[in-house]
Amino acid sequence: DVKVTQSSRYLVKRTGEKVFLECVQDMDHENMFWYRQDPGLGLRLIYFSYDVKMKEKGDIPEGYSVSREKKERFSLILESASTNQTSMYLCASSLIQGADEKLFFGSGTQLSVL
Amino acid sequence: ILNVEQSPQSLHVQEGDSTNFTCSFPSSNFYALHWYRWETAKSPEALFVMTLNGDEKKKGRISATLNTKEGYSYLYIKGSQPEDSATYLCAFIKGTGFQKLVFGTGTRLLVSP
Repeated sequence: DVKVTQSSRYLVKRTGEKVFLECVQDMDHENMFWYRQDPGLGLRLIYFSYDVKMKEKGDIPEGYSVSREKKERFSLILESASTNQTSMYLCASSLIQGADEKLFFGSGTQLSVL
Repeated sequence: ILNVEQSPQSLHVQEGDSTNFTCSFPSSNFYALHWYRWETAKSPEALFVMTLNGDEKKKGRISATLNTKEGYSYLYIKGSQPEDSATYLCAFIKGTGFQKLVFGTGTRLLVSP
């Protein structure tokens, strides 16, 4: 079974800190994604990557950056955390490009920025 | 419809009841529709990926239909069980075929014993 692992389940950080959220998948998937989930809103795409060192902005990239140095690892970086970045962050991966390819998700990181 | 809309927002049924939810999406430039189940404290898990108008898919007691011309999909659960309690998400992809999914806000289902 595909496993997508997010490094932390809960994280508490202070405003202005640099925050790293790590995601690792173990099935050689090409595509990786970062979403955030907020109450009353659907999952929103922050960034995605379809290959090592490649990245594309999603719908809400402001305040975030990403890094994909190895195929299995996709990191989300909050350069200077702010309270409006308090959210549930979900990482996902998929095997290849194609709208009929299902996503495999991690279990999420609940980030609180104080 | 510009975005993906799901109804109802939440649903509380008794064990054994059958239930259904709706996902509405823009009917133009359709490419694919995904359904996911998200149990509390777990990862969202794919249920179905549907691409053709008239598609019907089934997984155990759960089934889904797709109407791309009118822009909706139904998810049915027959004989709901407490373990079906979860949030059910649908996500729509248009046009390009790349996996930029647009998610609905989900339907939260609670099944009481």
